[in-house]
Amino acid sequence: AQSVTQLDSQVPVFEEAPVELRCNYSSSVSVYLFWYVQYPNQGLQLLLKYLSGSTLVESINGFEAEFNKSQTSFHLRKPSVHISDTAEYFCAVTEYSGAGSYQLTFGKGTKLSVIP
Amino acid sequence: DAGVTQSPTHLIKTRGQHVTLRCSPISGHKSVSWYQQVLGQGPQFIFQYYEKEERGRGNFPDRFSARQFPNYSSELNVNALLLGDSALYLCASSLGPGTGTYGYTFGSGTRLTVV
Repeated sequence: AQSVTQLDSQVPVFEEAPVELRCNYSSSVSVYLFWYVQYPNQGLQLLLKYLSGSTLVESINGFEAEFNKSQTSFHLRKPSVHISDTAEYFCAVTEYSGAGSYQLTFGKGTKLSVIP
Repeated sequence: DAGVTQSPTHLIKTRGQHVTLRCSPISGHKSVSWYQQVLGQGPQFIFQYYEKEERGRGNFPDRFSARQFPNYSSELNVNALLLGDSALYLCASSLGPGTGTYGYTFGSGTRLTVV
């Protein structure tokens, strides 16, 4: 079974500072990787995904993540955070669940707190 | 366009009771998946349905069951509720069963509290 490790449960950072949220996964086979964001009392929103091709993927709100196959990592970065980025971030990897279907295996999440 | 809708948004039940949670996928999406998110944890996969058939099942007891209707909406049923079933239950819809090509869209969830 796949596993996803998010190394930091909480990350406080000052507004306009850079941030990196770390994610490592356990797999020796091809995977699809995702970052989801969850605002308080809401569901999950897809932030970005890696399917294939360029190892650097970007979101529309300034986040980017780099797929590193040798280190089995998919760290999320943003060069300058805003107060509105305060949320919980989940890294996820696909896992085959049989009958042509795939499930998402999530990490435990990283709470990003942006300090004014 | 309507996103993934879940009902109810909040629910309080007593231990031993039964609960039914409902999900309507995005129009045109034929696959629905259910996830349980316990406080402080990431979501855990419970079920996936595609074209009304179960396509995947996570490591959950038989007290958990689900079904998908001809209009692709879905119900998650939990019998004999335990305190540990208290969680946010998330529904995700996709065009098909493979996440890589199609991607998932999540609803806002149903917050279940068992007392």
